[in-house]
Amino acid sequence: DAKTTQPPSMDCAEGRAANLPCNHSTISGNEYVYWYRQIHSQGPQYIIHGLKNNETNEMASLIITEDRKSSTLILPHATLRDTAVYYCIVRVARSYGGSQGNLIFGKGTKLSVKP
Amino acid sequence: EAQVTQNPRYLITVTGKKLTVTCSQNMNHEYMSWYRQDPGLGLRQIYYSMNVEVTDKGDVPEGYKVSRKEKRNFPLILESPSPNQTSLYFCASSSRDGQETQYFGPGTRLLVL
Repeated sequence: DAKTTQPPSMDCAEGRAANLPCNHSTISGNEYVYWYRQIHSQGPQYIIHGLKNNETNEMASLIITEDRKSSTLILPHATLRDTAVYYCIVRVARSYGGSQGNLIFGKGTKLSVKP
Repeated sequence: EAQVTQNPRYLITVTGKKLTVTCSQNMNHEYMSWYRQDPGLGLRQIYYSMNVEVTDKGDVPEGYKVSRKEKRNFPLILESPSPNQTSLYFCASSSRDGQETQYFGPGTRLLVL
């Protein structure tokens, strides 16, 4: 079973920030939080990942709470092309002796960006 | 352009007729894997490969075979397809870095009649 809990769906107005929450209350100290998204039956696309500190890249920001039991993916200016299912995944990085790269995808959050 | 390609993208076949779905990556990645995606069940890993000639079962390997004779290619073989293998299939690859990102192909939609 996935180790994360996400709301099944969310709406966001175009141009506004989309904040997607994820609960991972059983996360271990050596587990990272990864976010992928899947746009309508296309291959999943990597967005961002982090361990403890907040992270930002050209696509999104990842805010991880201090106790690491939850995180939020932020799309700062959502567009219609950001409509997708967003998956929050917790896994051990291989450098920490993690298993082979099986990503366990839960049900994700279906984000609908509306004009 | 860094990419994972799959062929064919769409396939309709009949029960028992052997088929192969090809997967190729141009990023010199060691790790490659196959997933299938079904409504209500999400993405599940079928097989993976850590490097050339090194393969292992994922969560749902029954009815599938794979081979890894070259680093860039990782074909998925269905020796005797059955209707319960009707699904959307994705190939993925990544490097051996500790925090590797997985790159996914565009998907192959298979219908077994």
